[in-house]
Amino acid sequence: SQQGEEDPQALSIQEGENATMNCSYKTSINNLQWYRQNSGRGLVHLILIRSNEREKHSGRLRVTLDTSKKSSSLLITASRAADTASYFCATALMDSSYKLIFGSGTRLLVRP
Amino acid sequence: KAGVTQTPRYLIKTRGQQVTLSCSPISGHRSVSWYQQTPGQGLQFLFEYFSETQRNKGNFPGRFSGRQFSNSRSEMNVSTLELGDSALYLCASFRGQGGYEQYFGPGTRLTVT
Repeated sequence: SQQGEEDPQALSIQEGENATMNCSYKTSINNLQWYRQNSGRGLVHLILIRSNEREKHSGRLRVTLDTSKKSSSLLITASRAADTASYFCATALMDSSYKLIFGSGTRLLVRP
Repeated sequence: KAGVTQTPRYLIKTRGQQVTLSCSPISGHRSVSWYQQTPGQGLQFLFEYFSETQRNKGNFPGRFSGRQFSNSRSEMNVSTLELGDSALYLCASFRGQGGYEQYFGPGTRLTVT
């Protein structure tokens, strides 16, 4: 079974609004990563947060990690039409940290 | 730096045939991972290689195999293809020693008829 579950499954917002996606996982992790995928193409690495970190920023992206709740969130601020894509969280477990287990993904649509 | 390249990009095979997919990692990266993406199962880990050794393996049947060469290039092979093997196969490269961010190629779209 998949380690990560994401919600919502789909999100539609207006350009300029913020988008928040959530990810929950089941077992202890070494790190959690977020990836973006445009329409059936390859995945693009967005940000990595280690298990001993609580928050991380990269440009318009903000990721939080709550290991006690086994959950993470990805916030995209001031969204643009080009942000339209599927977003996946991926966890790297403590004992096999190079094997990523992906969540089911959130499909984000940013309307111009 | 050039990104991860995968060949071929598209492939159509018949049930029962075998297929070999190729992945060239980013220069300097010593690890390559393979993932299968399908609408029903999502993204699933196949295997990971570091310095020509398989370091991790996912829960796929023995028909799925892979290898890595001394120049870090990797191939995966699927024998006796089934309809359910139709998927996007993604390869990712990363440093492999403490570098966890994985950089994905564009994928190979395999269709089995």
